[in-house]
Amino acid sequence: GQNIDQPTEMTATEGAIVQINCTYQTSGFNGLFWYQQHAGEAPTFLSYNVLDGLEEKGRFSSFLSRSKGYSYLLLKELQMKDSASYLCAVRGLMMNRDDKIIFGKGTRLHILP
Amino acid sequence: DAGVTQSPTHLIKTRGQQVTLRCSPKSGHDTVSWYQQALGQGPQFIFQYYEEEERQRGNFPDRFSGHQFPNYSSELNVNALLLGDSALYLCASSALAGLDTQYFGPGTRLTVL
Repeated sequence: GQNIDQPTEMTATEGAIVQINCTYQTSGFNGLFWYQQHAGEAPTFLSYNVLDGLEEKGRFSSFLSRSKGYSYLLLKELQMKDSASYLCAVRGLMMNRDDKIIFGKGTRLHILP
Repeated sequence: DAGVTQSPTHLIKTRGQQVTLRCSPKSGHDTVSWYQQALGQGPQFIFQYYEEEERQRGNFPDRFSGHQFPNYSSELNVNALLLGDSALYLCASSALAGLDTQYFGPGTRLTVL
């Protein structure tokens, strides 16, 4: 089966740094995505990792370790507008060799002033 | 360049009725995926369409069906609506037969009474 785990909620302070972890177990691996979703809105793409290591994009960075089935999203210099849910999603491989993207339940991040 | 669009924005139906949701992919995208997102949960994969055929399917009953048209737009149909079908329905499009990053539309909020 396929399983993606991430914390349900996290709280951080404006200007600080926060790390949101994601662990996954999938039959095959074809990449990991992070999406941001504000309440009542659609998810917006943040990052995509397919190889091990750190991908940096402005205030956001994403890390992947395929051997550990582990990723994290790092948010620096937090701003109030970063209050949102952060979704970890994995593209796996199904038995018939097609792939589909499976989402975790999301981590709700609260930013305090 | 228009992004992914969906219609309608909101919809209210009663149990047993049928509903059709529509999605137009981002320009240049050839693959459309549909997701159901219940409140506080991550998106659940329903199915994916490519070249006017259902290519992959998640764990949803046959009451959920779809279609893709030659212009790559897509419809999601749900028959015999249940209260539990109340959710945000998200359409995501991608290029390269689904191998590229998915971009989400704003979603359709379906309420079943």
